[in-house]
Amino acid sequence: DAMVIQNPRYQVTQFGKPVTLSCSQTLNHNVMYWYQQKSSQAPKLLFHYYDKDFNNEADTPDNFQSRRPNTSFCFLDIRSPGLGDAAMYLCATSGPLVDRVDTQYFGPGTRLTVL
Amino acid sequence: GIQVEQSPPDLILQEGANSTLRCNFSDSVNNLQWFHQNPWGQLINLFYIPSGTKQNGRLSATTVATERYSLLYISSSQTTDSGVYFCAVESGFQKLVFGTGTRLLVSP
Repeated sequence: DAMVIQNPRYQVTQFGKPVTLSCSQTLNHNVMYWYQQKSSQAPKLLFHYYDKDFNNEADTPDNFQSRRPNTSFCFLDIRSPGLGDAAMYLCATSGPLVDRVDTQYFGPGTRLTVL
Repeated sequence: GIQVEQSPPDLILQEGANSTLRCNFSDSVNNLQWFHQNPWGQLINLFYIPSGTKQNGRLSATTVATERYSLLYISSSQTTDSGVYFCAVESGFQKLVFGTGTRLLVSP
């Protein structure tokens, strides 16, 4: 009955080697989010999609990109991972309220290690 | 931007004890959510509570929006309650900003 699925759960990459993390959802929610969470810190929003509309946070580095090919799937691409990008990456969904944020549901996260 | 502070930052309880976690926010908000992050990193939504009081089993939450705070009550705590508790408030279109978190350890 998984509702928000993230793959892989653990990802190891080398410094500078591109990596893609994936998220899928069975909730048919129109909003999908990517958060970065470093050790002992709160989740930090990188960007989110409202349907196909992409909303980037002002302080999200250009190294991070995202794609949402359809309602169910969303991808996070890190073009040239640095050591500082090692973190837990969390995908979340919400919907369908328009005038405010609806309840957010999180996936289990992908823990990224950069060697 | 809006600031969200939680207290206490760390809390250690014996199993069976009760506790109150606090979330203060710096501006009026349309919505507030409480989450529990278990030791494996999974975030679970506990409450969607822009105002008023809600209860779910041993947990309850109260938000006083006019005074810009929310409280999460945990009664008869269990070891499975351990983890980090975050409140998050709406900040911009379809976005939440998370508080600083309260790390809870419940010992048997």
